[in-house]
Amino acid sequence: KQEVTQIPAALSVPEGENLVLNCSFTDSAIYNLQWFRQDPGKGLTSLLLIQSSQREQTSGRLNASLDKSSGRSTLYIAASQPGDSATYLCAVKTNAGKSTFGDGTTLTVKP
Amino acid sequence: DGGITQSPKYLFRKEGQNVTLSCEQNLNHDAMYWYRQDPGQGLRLIYYSQIVNDFQKGDIAEGYSVSREKKESFPLTVTSAQKNPTAFYLCASIGQGVNEQFFGPGTRLTVL
Repeated sequence: KQEVTQIPAALSVPEGENLVLNCSFTDSAIYNLQWFRQDPGKGLTSLLLIQSSQREQTSGRLNASLDKSSGRSTLYIAASQPGDSATYLCAVKTNAGKSTFGDGTTLTVKP
Repeated sequence: DGGITQSPKYLFRKEGQNVTLSCEQNLNHDAMYWYRQDPGQGLRLIYYSQIVNDFQKGDIAEGYSVSREKKESFPLTVTSAQKNPTAFYLCASIGQGVNEQFFGPGTRLTVL
């Protein structure tokens, strides 16, 4: 059974700092990995999707990497801003069509 | 605008009542999903459907039921058999090709 872990559970940084969020998974036979952002009381917003054949994806200040052999993905946020404060979740999709989510990392960026 | 809508935004249920949460999408996606989120936790899969008139149980299906009579709609019924239904419920869909998952805004269900 796939298990997804996100460490740390919470992170607080000053504005302007570069930071890395981690996502690890136990079964490397994945179809894709998706990073989401969730604001309090809201649904999930897709940030980046990495297919199993890809190593990384970039969108603006965000860069996500995937290393299937080690069961790891990272989300790099450059020059963090207070508006980046949210919970970030990763989801690993298997070929069976189901996704397994981590518990998320809650990020606070202080002005 | 294409997207996923969920209604109502807030729902209150008395003990012993069944309630139905609505999920509609106009993205022409084949696959639809229902998740439950409890405070401080990730999402857990309740039911999913990869095609009309077909659906499968997820990890926590007990006390829930679904139907998929139309491609656009995937309603979730929370029955009285669900012992702890207070949670945030999220609906999602995935189209063919890229397989990116999109989410609705969620319904917060509270049992009184």
